[in-house]
Amino acid sequence: EVQLLESGGALVQPGGSLRLSCAASGFTFSSYAMTWVRQAPGKGLEWVSAINNGGGSTYYADSVKGRFTISRDNSKNTLYLQMNSLRAEDTAVYYCAKDAIAVAARFDYWGQGTLVTVSS
Amino acid sequence: EIVLTQSPATLSLSPGERATLSCRASQSVSSYLTWYQQKPGQAPRLLIYDASNRATGIPARFSGSGSGTDFTLTISSLEPEDFAVYYCQQRSNWPWTFGQGTKVEIK
Repeated sequence: EVQLLESGGALVQPGGSLRLSCAASGFTFSSYAMTWVRQAPGKGLEWVSAINNGGGSTYYADSVKGRFTISRDNSKNTLYLQMNSLRAEDTAVYYCAKDAIAVAARFDYWGQGTLVTVSS
Repeated sequence: EIVLTQSPATLSLSPGERATLSCRASQSVSSYLTWYQQKPGQAPRLLIYDASNRATGIPARFSGSGSGTDFTLTISSLEPEDFAVYYCQQRSNWPWTFGQGTKVEIK
């Protein structure tokens, strides 16, 4: 059974940093691209970042480019999102999702999400 | 970036009725359009990929159509479990973008 378990969400002050993790199991993690999608409270979905299966190619939304870094450790079956210079508008539930094939935005499995709150 | 506009914002229908949801792109996305369903408190669920292909396990009452800039998600006969928010997403150009969502509610 495919499982994605996010962790690391917390209350952080504006300008602060946080690292989210997504532990994957039930599939060959190193074979699939992964992505982060966020959802502000009561709002819609926003794609944040994606990474290919090997970690050599990364992609970002304009809203987080230069502040967030996506990475993965295939030996630990874990996806990461390093978030720096956090702003109030980064407050959201952050989901990790598995891509069905390559980097194709076909997110067939999702985690349950982890809440990041940016506030003083 | 490509802007996806979904309409209507809310669709009020009864079980058994047909639902037609629209997603319009600000420029052509070819057939690189995906649909997701999200219920309250849950993660999204993949429904349709590449405009018209049902994902594994998705009932046949869900269908997608369109190409270029205009896309439609159709639910042929609404079941109680179909009342949810539906999002379209494009993967034609970076950055990938989602539409703002259409809520299908019980009339």
